Amino acid sequence: KAGVTQTPRYLIKTRGQQVTLSCSPISGHRSVSWYQQTPGQGLQFLFEYFSETQRNKGNFPGRFSGRQFSNSRSEMNVSTLELGDSALYLCASSSQMGAYNEQFFGPGTRLTVL
Amino acid sequence: GDSVTQMEGPVTLSEEAFLTINCTYTATGYPSLFWYVQYPGEGLQLLLKATKADDKGSNKGFEATYRKETTSFHLEKGSVQVSDSAVYFCALLNNNDMRFGAGTRLTVKP
Repeated sequence: KAGVTQTPRYLIKTRGQQVTLSCSPISGHRSVSWYQQTPGQGLQFLFEYFSETQRNKGNFPGRFSGRQFSNSRSEMNVSTLELGDSALYLCASSSQMGAYNEQFFGPGTRLTVL
Repeated sequence: GDSVTQMEGPVTLSEEAFLTINCTYTATGYPSLFWYVQYPGEGLQLLLKATKADDKGSNKGFEATYRKETTSFHLEKGSVQVSDSAVYFCALLNNNDMRFGAGTRLTVKP
């Protein structure tokens, strides 16, 4: 069974641009959660999508948004990029909504904002 | 709100040394506690977990005991290997809210 895949693996953008990251969950998993990992703040929960609907949301500004498609693939969008958005963005999938203790993580997308 | 505090790294040990990575938490109620490991270039993997007080989670020679009286979940391994070099995250789950510690980087030298 293939694991969680994220594309692209690396991305460089400049301030003010917008970016879209993609996550494909494990086959059969319907929940996708997104996390931001930075050296200073550690790992912080962004949001969870289940059945194409956002079900849970962390404490991030509205510049961070996402969506989920009918095949459970999810995209995360960040608009008006800031230097502080430079981070490793991880997605995780699970078979059920809110099953954070049974998540499988992808390798992440490393975003650098210049 | 709930939070997790881990000992700051990096931690550097020689092969076969004893490892302890401290983790304490603040939470209301009865959270579940976890340790995740992140190897270079990979995503997080669940290492072990404990769901109630005095439970001991164990996996791959690592152990951690859920201590409610000290609100701690310290990770230990009796003899580390070079292949254990990674970043370790302590985490808690409480009322569908998942919180992670900042991570501790472990480097094991031969």
